[in-house]
Amino acid sequence: GQQVMQIPQYQHVQEGEDFTTYCNSSTTLSNIQWYKQRPGGHPVFLIQLVKSGEVKKQKRLTFQFGEAKKNSSLHITATQTTDVGTYFCAADNYGQNFVFGPGTRLSVLP
Amino acid sequence: DAGVIQSPRHEVTEMGQEVTLRCKPISGHNSLFWYRQTMMRGLELLIYFNNNVPIDDSGMPEDRFSAKMPNASFSTLKIQPSEPRDSAVYFCASSYGTGPQPQHFGDGTRLSIL
Repeated sequence: GQQVMQIPQYQHVQEGEDFTTYCNSSTTLSNIQWYKQRPGGHPVFLIQLVKSGEVKKQKRLTFQFGEAKKNSSLHITATQTTDVGTYFCAADNYGQNFVFGPGTRLSVLP
Repeated sequence: DAGVIQSPRHEVTEMGQEVTLRCKPISGHNSLFWYRQTMMRGLELLIYFNNNVPIDDSGMPEDRFSAKMPNASFSTLKIQPSEPRDSAVYFCASSYGTGPQPQHFGDGTRLSIL
């Protein structure tokens, strides 16, 4: 079945540093979604990417979908303590199944 | 607007007991999802419904788990009999529309089986 990997598993950064997490799939995806889960909270939808090579920005967050639609990245510029949490990608394989990646846990040191 | 509502928020029970988790999706949403989250296995999709009909239950671990959606505003996930390895946070999520859509998650039920 489809597998979705995320790297790194954990990332510790100093406040103000940049952060990137990568999501990789074993199969071509129809779309990919990104979610953020704060400690003790629930996943919250951030964005959905559909087109090959698509790039979307939300303030300090930049999301990218790979040209082959098998990978995606989330980049945070100048991290803040409010960025702490686990970032999940969720991949849809043309309706066959919907799989969450294992997540990247981000810690931001003040 | 009310989000996805789950109950109870916490449940502690002894193994062998029946556990029922409840979910009220956002009004107007036509898809409902049940997830289980653990440190070891991450966020796993157990089952999802579309227009109250179960579409994919391949993630349901075994026959001890069952889910129902009797109407558009209510769903249950039942575990009978419960086992310690069922301890996890169970999330319900809902979405609107066809195809992959943003999912709105409830606050989850933290289940501990002793």
